[in-house]
Amino acid sequence: GQQVMQIPQYQHVQEGEDFTTYCNSSTTLSNIQWYKQRPGGHPVFLIQLVKSGEVKKQKRLTFQFGEAKKNSSLHITATQTTDVGTYFCAGLWKTSYDKVIFGPGTSLSVIP
Amino acid sequence: DTEVTQTPKHLVMGMTNKKSLKCEQHMGHRAMYWYKQKAKKPPELMFVYSYEKLSINESVPSRFSPECPNSSLLNLHLHALQPEDSALYLCASSQTSNEQFFGPGTRLTVL
Repeated sequence: GQQVMQIPQYQHVQEGEDFTTYCNSSTTLSNIQWYKQRPGGHPVFLIQLVKSGEVKKQKRLTFQFGEAKKNSSLHITATQTTDVGTYFCAGLWKTSYDKVIFGPGTSLSVIP
Repeated sequence: DTEVTQTPKHLVMGMTNKKSLKCEQHMGHRAMYWYKQKAKKPPELMFVYSYEKLSINESVPSRFSPECPNSSLLNLHLHALQPEDSALYLCASSQTSNEQFFGPGTRLTVL
């Protein structure tokens, strides 16, 4: 079946340090999306990657989609306390564009 | 209006009660979703409606009954729930394979 894995489960960083979370699918993805959920909040869309090898940047955030479209990463440069939350990748497959499967998430804590 | 609204924010119900969760979006999105999220876990897909028709049911127990009265509204009817059904219930909407907009959720407690 379709599965999305994500590591690490938790990450504690000092403010100013970098952070990376990795996402891996058991099968080739059509698209991958990234969401952020603040404590007590709901998931908020960050970005969608569609093309093999795609790299997108949003200020201090860099998103990559692997060449085989089975893995992805999110890298945050110089973390800030506002980056605290859980980062989820979510995979979409061509067989059903409506079916989004979330990875287990990486919970980021930033120590001031 | 880029907002998905959900009511109520909190709900406490007994195992014999019948209640409904409501979700509304006015973005013209053709797909609407129900997710269940337990603490420290990812959202777990329950149902997907596409153009007001149920397109995906992820083997959800029949005590959860979805309804899509029109393109802007999505309901989740609850009946005879169990304590383990206590969770955050999230509604979302999207266009085809695009970003999902999530509502704030309904925090459900089943006693």
